[in-house]
Order: sequence, then C-alpha cells, then structure tokens
Amino acid sequence: GAVVSQHPSRVICKSGTSVKIECRSLDFQATTMFWYRQFPKQSLMLMATSNEGSKATYEQGVEKDKFLINHASLTLSTLTVTSAHPEDSSFYICSATRLAGGSTDTQYFGPGTRLTVL
Amino acid sequence: AQSVAQPEDQVNVAEGNPLTVKCTYSVSGNPYLFWYVQYPNRGLQFLLKYITGDNLVKGSYGFEAEFNKSQTSFHLKKPSALVSDSALYFCAVRSLRASGGSYIPTFGRGTSLIVHP
Repeated sequence: GAVVSQHPSRVICKSGTSVKIECRSLDFQATTMFWYRQFPKQSLMLMATSNEGSKATYEQGVEKDKFLINHASLTLSTLTVTSAHPEDSSFYICSATRLAGGSTDTQYFGPGTRLTVL
Repeated sequence: AQSVAQPEDQVNVAEGNPLTVKCTYSVSGNPYLFWYVQYPNRGLQFLLKYITGDNLVKGSYGFEAEFNKSQTSFHLKKPSALVSDSALYFCAVRSLRASGGSYIPTFGRGTSLIVHP
C-alpha cells in the first residue's frame, strides 16, 4: 500500500509554455501533499505544502504565481509551472502523507518528473 | 529552526562489509527521524523511522538506524552491504514548525553510497 504516482515522468517543453504535473495517491487518502524540487546531486528543496481544499503554503522564495498548486481532492494534487524558462528545468517530486500531515507520518514519494525547458 | 546534517557526500564500502551512513540533527522538541533511499531518476523510498521507544530501529532491506539523543545522531547501518544498496540516502527530521502549525520535513543533502563488488 501507500503508492504515489506522478504524471508525466518526463516532459520537454518550449520556453514560455506551461506544464502541469499530477501527483496521485493511488491507495490511500492524502490530506497533505508536498512538492519538492531537486537539483542534480543535491537534496530536496521543499517548494510548498498542499492541503486538500485549501490554498497551498509556499516556502520562502518560491513564487506562488509561477508554481500553481491545486489540491482538489484527497487523491490528487497538481503543480503547474507557468511560463516555464530553462532555469525551471529540474526534477520535481511530490510526496503524500496518510493523515493530516502529523509529525510522525511517513511521507510516501512519487517517482518524480523530469522537466526540461528548451 | 530544525536542520539535518549528512557530513559525508559519499561513502564507499566493499560488498559484504558493514556500512554506516551518518546523520546528525538539530531540532527543538521531540525529533521524528526518517531515512529514505533514492535510486537514479526515481523518487524517494521510505526505509525506516524513529518516533519513540527502542533506540535501534529496524527497517527495509536489512537496514537499521540507531537514535542517540545525547549525540543528536541517527546513523543508518547495515551489517553486510550489497552492490544493489548503491544509491543516494537521505536523512530527514520532522517537527512542529514555529509558525503556521505545520509539521514541515527537513532533509539532509544526501549521501551517495557506493558498494564495490
């Protein structure tokens, strides 16, 4: 149990276009989802925390108008990179917790999405 | 503020030998500690966690970690390494963040484990 999927796994787009990444919890309800960005050989950088039915909480320095997050249901959160630029190229990973983001909850991670902006 | 340190960028070990991947943390309040493994171009997989109780935690794939409160450490260990254990390992801590009331996870920068045949 506790499987998280991401779609697409890889996307290449032109500069200026928008890209949507989906994160789904397949066999559990996730009231809290996290979106991370990972640069090569570096740790995960938390971008935002997403709670179902409410606005996402963005980390300092993350542009909420550029990285739109929607958590419309208990099994789906989406990250839309708007007007993408080459510097947005990265590996984006989502994770979900079973309960309401409690401190002891294990995060279950999606397989990641490799975004390349030309 | 909470933080996690993984002092080694890379750990090299021969197959069959014991391995240790180090992690130290800093957090106010009770720490909830996690280890994850990441294979190339994949998301993170949960290995084990410490919440309370026995300081030695056993996890997936034969890994274990020892919580040491006095040294604020949570080192990952395995008695006998396999070549297939070669991957990137992340230590993480979660605690209540001062503002917003959210339990925000903090990850270490990762340690690349290379097991040589």
